[in-house]
Amino acid sequence: QKEVEQNSGPLSVPEGAIASLNCTYSDRGSQSFFWYRQYSGKSPELIMFIYSNGDKEDGRFTAQLNKASQYVSLLIRDSQPSDSATYLCAVNEAYSSASKIIFGSGTRLSIRP
Amino acid sequence: DAGITQSPRHKVTETGTPVTLRCHQTENHRYMYWYRQDPGHGLRLIHYSYGVKDTDKGEVSDGYSVSRSKTEDFLLTLESATSSQTSVYFCAISEPPGHEQYFGPGTRLTVT
Repeated sequence: QKEVEQNSGPLSVPEGAIASLNCTYSDRGSQSFFWYRQYSGKSPELIMFIYSNGDKEDGRFTAQLNKASQYVSLLIRDSQPSDSATYLCAVNEAYSSASKIIFGSGTRLSIRP
Repeated sequence: DAGITQSPRHKVTETGTPVTLRCHQTENHRYMYWYRQDPGHGLRLIHYSYGVKDTDKGEVSDGYSVSRSKTEDFLLTLESATSSQTSVYFCAISEPPGHEQYFGPGTRLTVT
């Protein structure tokens, strides 16, 4: 069974601090890794994707990938109350048809003022 | 949600009735997916399509069927709705070679 594991939280972070979200995956053949943000009552929104080992930065967001450890993380710098949401980690299913991806259950992030 | 719509957005139906949910895209993406999202289970794949008239089952396909007669439309049918199918249903689209998926706004279905 291919799995993507996340701590469900809630993760509480003070405003202006760095929020660190983590994810592990079981499928060693996976090549594409995604972070989605989902506000309560809304649909998931793609915020970052990463394909290569190392860091990828986009504004206040940094995705980190370590394929050897099967570990993906998302850092949010200068956290804002608007960052309060559930963050879903997703990983492509290796060798699957139709670009299927597997989602973790999500980490709920709360930014306290 | 740009380019992907779902209808209806909310529906309440009775056990045993058939229900059809529609996903419509204007992005001309080849792949389309139906997920359900429930507390404690995250997003689970119901069915997916890799082209017109080409569909396959996901991990929770029992009790659901799909059809795709046009690139832009992907229909999900609950043949005889049960209370366990009360959920939020999301449609997603993707275009190779990338694997990233983009989601529609969702349909909240309640089966009483």
